[in-house]
Amino acid sequence: DQQVKQNSPSLSVQEGRISILNCDYTNSMFDYFLWYKKYPAEGPTFLISISSIKDKNEDGRFTVFLNKSAKHLSLHIVPSQPGDSAVYFCAAYLSSGSARQLTFGSGTQLTVLP
Amino acid sequence: DTEVTQTPKHLVMGMTNKKSLKCEQHMGHRAMYWYKQKAKKPPELMFVYSYEKLSINESVPSRFSPECPNSSLLNLHLHALQPEDSALYLCASSQPLGTRRIYTFGSGTRLTVV
Repeated sequence: DQQVKQNSPSLSVQEGRISILNCDYTNSMFDYFLWYKKYPAEGPTFLISISSIKDKNEDGRFTVFLNKSAKHLSLHIVPSQPGDSAVYFCAAYLSSGSARQLTFGSGTQLTVLP
Repeated sequence: DTEVTQTPKHLVMGMTNKKSLKCEQHMGHRAMYWYKQKAKKPPELMFVYSYEKLSINESVPSRFSPECPNSSLLNLHLHALQPEDSALYLCASSQPLGTRRIYTFGSGTRLTVV
């Protein structure tokens, strides 16, 4: 049972436009969510996180939105730049749980076209 | 220091070889992890060390043997691997419990078993 889902394996956007990456989760107990960016042959790099007590968190060009009732979060990148081209993973955990409980989505390959 | 350092970056080994992967962090994190990642897939948890004790072994074959000599170091000893074990091996660290845990990943070791 995949508890964190990223249903779009790939997304292409034009440079300067907005990129919106989506993530759905099924476990309502998750209370902390993270987005990671990954280049080929490198480890995931932490981008931004959000606690379930918030519905929005912003850091520069990156904003994460959380809709708890829909069990949905999204990452907005504005404006998109060619260097943003990478695989983006959504991840979630239960803060009262053990350290094992970081659950990843399957990832979305973002391509920003110049 | 906000990094997790992994060595070597690349490793090619034969099926009869013994080798070790190394991971180091100086962020004071008391949980350290080994993940395995295949192309186009999310990271897959292998082992969790919490306060230098092995707390999770996700049914990993015994040809993979983890070791945590101290709170900053994590090793993964490899012996008699199979070609299907070829993957990117990622080390990560975090605080073991609580809210707002950020999991910091190393850049990985690209392992090829021949």
